[in-house]
Amino acid sequence: DTAVSQTPKYLVTQMGNDKSIKCEQNLGHDTMYWYKQDSKKFLKIMFSYNNKELIINETVPNRFSPKSPDKAHLNLHINSLELGDSAVYFCASSQLATSTDTQYFGPGTRLTVL
Amino acid sequence: AQSVTQLGSHVSVSEGALVLLRCNYSSSVPPYLFWYVQYPNQGLQLLLKYTTGATLVKGINGFEAEFKKSETSFHLTKPSAHMSDAAEYFCAVSDEGFKTIFGAGTRLFVKA
Repeated sequence: DTAVSQTPKYLVTQMGNDKSIKCEQNLGHDTMYWYKQDSKKFLKIMFSYNNKELIINETVPNRFSPKSPDKAHLNLHINSLELGDSAVYFCASSQLATSTDTQYFGPGTRLTVL
Repeated sequence: AQSVTQLGSHVSVSEGALVLLRCNYSSSVPPYLFWYVQYPNQGLQLLLKYTTGATLVKGINGFEAEFKKSETSFHLTKPSAHMSDAAEYFCAVSDEGFKTIFGAGTRLFVKA
């Protein structure tokens, strides 16, 4: 009965490959997010969806493409992986699409690009 | 634009000592303020949150924070540190739209 789950937990791949990370939340929330956490623990928002509609699209290479098939799922597809994409990627959700609402985070996916 | 500054990327305390993690914010609107904690190899979870009203906010695990508008601060404290408090702590502020702005984080070490 995990609230926000992500798969896989670890992902090791070669440069140039394409990979996807999946996220699901069972909290009934309307809003979901993708964050990137670098090696210095800095947390950067990448995307956010509210009821399957994109509401935050930060300055992220267009190799990154989010997809929200329904409001309980938000997946992240990354094309042509680069060394600099190595990081921990966190999915999160909140009930409201406002910055004042509490966010619930998944356990993270550690991506290593070799 | 909203921003958050956490003073000290690393803080070390002895078990049983006071924990004080500093956070200053900048906001052009009345802010909502958060402290999140990240234990090793886990996602972030909410410790406490200031919305409006009482400026002293109590959170989980004995932590509390005080909103001081005049100082634009929201420092996190705990009277007595426990080994299990060792983690990364993030202060965050709401912006005027959809984004929550996170600070750079403070790693808390607790010595036996």
